[in-house]
Amino acid sequence: EIVMTQSPATLSESPGERATLSCRASERIRYSLAWYQQKPGQPPRLLIFNTNARPAGVPARFSASGSGTEFTLTISSLQSEDFAVYFCHQYTKWPGTFGQGTRVEIK
Amino acid sequence: EVQLVESGGGLVQPGGSLRLSCAASGFTFSDYWMLWGRQAPGKGLEWVATIKPDETERYYVDSVKGRFTISRDNTENSVYLQMSGLRAEDTALYYCGRGYNGNSEFYDFRGQGTPVTVSS
Repeated sequence: EIVMTQSPATLSESPGERATLSCRASERIRYSLAWYQQKPGQPPRLLIFNTNARPAGVPARFSASGSGTEFTLTISSLQSEDFAVYFCHQYTKWPGTFGQGTRVEIK
Repeated sequence: EVQLVESGGGLVQPGGSLRLSCAASGFTFSDYWMLWGRQAPGKGLEWVATIKPDETERYYVDSVKGRFTISRDNTENSVYLQMSGLRAEDTALYYCGRGYNGNSEFYDFRGQGTPVTVSS
């Protein structure tokens, strides 16, 4: 099983700051990576697929990059609605595996 | 507006059964892969089962194979998860998801989920 490791577990930042979240795969996953955002009491929201593609409606302040085993999600300027938990998900083979999540909290 | 409304969850004893339902609206249901995913309390996400638009392919996470069955009714715009042999580790909030842009790897979610608690 491919293990996904996210860091940091918690990221404390102020509104307007840049946030960088990392996700590492235990083996190469090419570009088969998605990011989901989840707020308390809400379902997950697809933010990024295929490593760096944004679904319609996702703001441009969310960007992502990576390949192989190292991946990054960047939020260029944190807005109040961005404080949430972020999960990465590799899908080289169904059902794939998720990281344990990074909580982005207000500093 | 895309809507996915889950129902059917509840409290069940170990070894029991439940049938979850997801009513879809606001899109052409028969064009999309549909998923059941779950999230145990305070835990991360897990894909449980997915079904192709024409029902010719179904995939399950290993832990539910032989116990859970995903199905759909394209005339009723609904997807179902029949769960049997339930275990404590199946306790979770179950979400219904729609494959994004026709994909089967990543999904968007609209509903609040339906909770399943397996306990004696």
